Amino acid sequence: GESVGLHLPTLSVQEGDNSIINCAYSNSASDYFIWYKQESGKGPQFIIDIRSNMDKRQGQRVTVLLNKTVKHLSLQIAATQPGDSAVYFCAEISGANNLFFGTGTRLTVIP
Amino acid sequence: GAGVSQSPSNKVTEKGKDVELRCDPISGHTALYWYRQSLGQGLEFLIYFQGNSAPDKSGLPSDRFSAERTGGSVSTLTIQRTQQEDSAVYLCASSPRRASETQYFGPGTRLLVL
Repeated sequence: GESVGLHLPTLSVQEGDNSIINCAYSNSASDYFIWYKQESGKGPQFIIDIRSNMDKRQGQRVTVLLNKTVKHLSLQIAATQPGDSAVYFCAEISGANNLFFGTGTRLTVIP
Repeated sequence: GAGVSQSPSNKVTEKGKDVELRCDPISGHTALYWYRQSLGQGLEFLIYFQGNSAPDKSGLPSDRFSAERTGGSVSTLTIQRTQQEDSAVYLCASSPRRASETQYFGPGTRLLVL
């Protein structure tokens, strides 16, 4: 979710469990949302996106849920694997050029 | 190329020196972005180029930072008179047209100012 101070929020899960990563966005006019995964030492990679006219979208082992009423976005990862350990960022886009990233959540998968 | 590339991958410099960071976006992508990521922090927007339009420089932290994009392709981010607080990973991203599309990120340049 939201970060406080200088430290990323963290989430630790057991391998095989489901993970839920949350993100609160600020702009009710945002109409496009993206989840990125960033592994240590690498740039962010696209995972899944959703437009504001949807409330759910599924990919391979991942699901994004959008609740526009409370301006909340979540990423669900099914059967979490060690390779899922990374920092996950949500990004909100409004209009053509306004892109804002959340601070990120660090997911650690315990074997 | 297959993706966004950045060079150098790592840069160590002394305080007060100037540095140039390079970004090669995906061929055909008209939008290019620079971000900064400090240790344990999120992504901080720096500057955005779209085609031949004037860049959006609203994220540049000081006048020591500048960027240019030549020929609508390669971009260079320049930091003059570097300070220790400039130490971070500098990420470049490109998208086909605009921010409302998925951005593809490069691996970043890790800058350390001693």
